[in-house]
Amino acid sequence: DAGITQSPRHKVTETGTPVTLRCHQTENHRYMYWYRQDPGHGLRLIHYSYGVKDTDKGEVSDGYSVSRSKTEDFLLTLESATSSQTSVYFCAISDPTSGSTDTQYFGPGTRLTVL
Amino acid sequence: GNSVTQMEGPVTLSEEAFLTINCTYTATGYPSLFWYVQYPGEGLQLLLKATKADDKGSNKGFEATYRKETTSFHLEKGSVQVSDSAVYFCALSRSGSARQLTFGSGTQLTVLP
Repeated sequence: DAGITQSPRHKVTETGTPVTLRCHQTENHRYMYWYRQDPGHGLRLIHYSYGVKDTDKGEVSDGYSVSRSKTEDFLLTLESATSSQTSVYFCAISDPTSGSTDTQYFGPGTRLTVL
Repeated sequence: GNSVTQMEGPVTLSEEAFLTINCTYTATGYPSLFWYVQYPGEGLQLLLKATKADDKGSNKGFEATYRKETTSFHLEKGSVQVSDSAVYFCALSRSGSARQLTFGSGTQLTVLP
């Protein structure tokens, strides 16, 4: 299994509070991604990173920001959480320079509930 | 834009039955196609993939063939087991260096003994 951990694994918070989710990898992969998973929608890309301090928006980026100060860590921040951000969040990594181009490896997920 | 349409679920089968989960896609260029599987309480795992037309991906008895003419990538297995119960996601990768994935909505499979 790819070395990807996410923290916390579960979190309950209140509307309006800031929340930061962490993704940590030990594979030294260049690309990292944040997805959210909601019933009926599959997984949707929030933000991704193609290197340290290099990030870009995905299809559902409103209300989220990201940072990547080290290769191994990719942080997702909800500046002011809303109930519509209740979801399961997955981090993924990939390394297009490896033999397995295109393949993404997923972390175990973080279940976030915003009350 | 790119999109993936998956067979609506849930799907319930008896052990040893034949499985087909339909997946069709819309994409520009020549995407790579994937099937991911998610077991209860876990993240997604790559099940199989195909990177060009007529390629067949296979793993653990599952197969899918990249059909450009019908823009499809249907997942099949000849004889399912209870342990195959999971959610299955079809996905495509967009062209470009970041290779972002576009997912279908997922199909819940339950296999009964």
